Amino acid sequence: AQSVTQLDSQVPVFEEAPVELRCNYSSSVSVYLFWYVQYPNQGLQLLLKYLSGSTLVESINGFEAEFNKSQTSFHLRKPSVHISDTAEYFCAVSGGSNYKLTFGKGTLLTVNP
Amino acid sequence: DTAVSQTPKYLVTQMGNDKSIKCEQNLGHDTMYWYKQDSKKFLKIMFSYNNKELIINETVPNRFSPKSPDKAHLNLHINSLELGDSAVYFCASSQEGLNYGYTFGSGTRLTVV
Repeated sequence: AQSVTQLDSQVPVFEEAPVELRCNYSSSVSVYLFWYVQYPNQGLQLLLKYLSGSTLVESINGFEAEFNKSQTSFHLRKPSVHISDTAEYFCAVSGGSNYKLTFGKGTLLTVNP
Repeated sequence: DTAVSQTPKYLVTQMGNDKSIKCEQNLGHDTMYWYKQDSKKFLKIMFSYNNKELIINETVPNRFSPKSPDKAHLNLHINSLELGDSAVYFCASSQEGLNYGYTFGSGTRLTVV
């Protein structure tokens, strides 16, 4: 079985500041890792994913995440946030053959002017 | 063209009623899921079907029954609705291997009064 811990339930930052949203996971098997974003009253959209290969993965809108196997982490970072990045961010892990995604409890990122 | 579409978007009903939520995907994916998101934004898997076969059935009351007439559709029927069933229900789909993660629908907000 796998689990995900998102260490911060809320992260307020000012516009153009850097941000890191933390995610730790536990699993007894090799994992796939994902970050999803949920804007208010919308569904979840895939932001980026780690399946294999390079441990640093990037999204098209400037976010990046690094898979760290020794620390069982997959933290999400952005060097300069915009007000439009305000949303709920979910880290998720999948392991094993049934492709079940287990989600963390989410981190609300609020970007203030 | 909506990739994963759910209907209805909103559903308000009285306790004790029976209701259904429909989900359709046009991505050609072979696996579909139902997730429940509670008022604290926590996402929990309920069911998963792979090519019309049930592969994940988490601890969910028997009042919830999924039905998959073909691999493009996964419906959720709920009997004898209770106040605690109020939540947002998300349908999702994926292709084997999770190379593209899950694609989520926009959700159905169920309110039981």
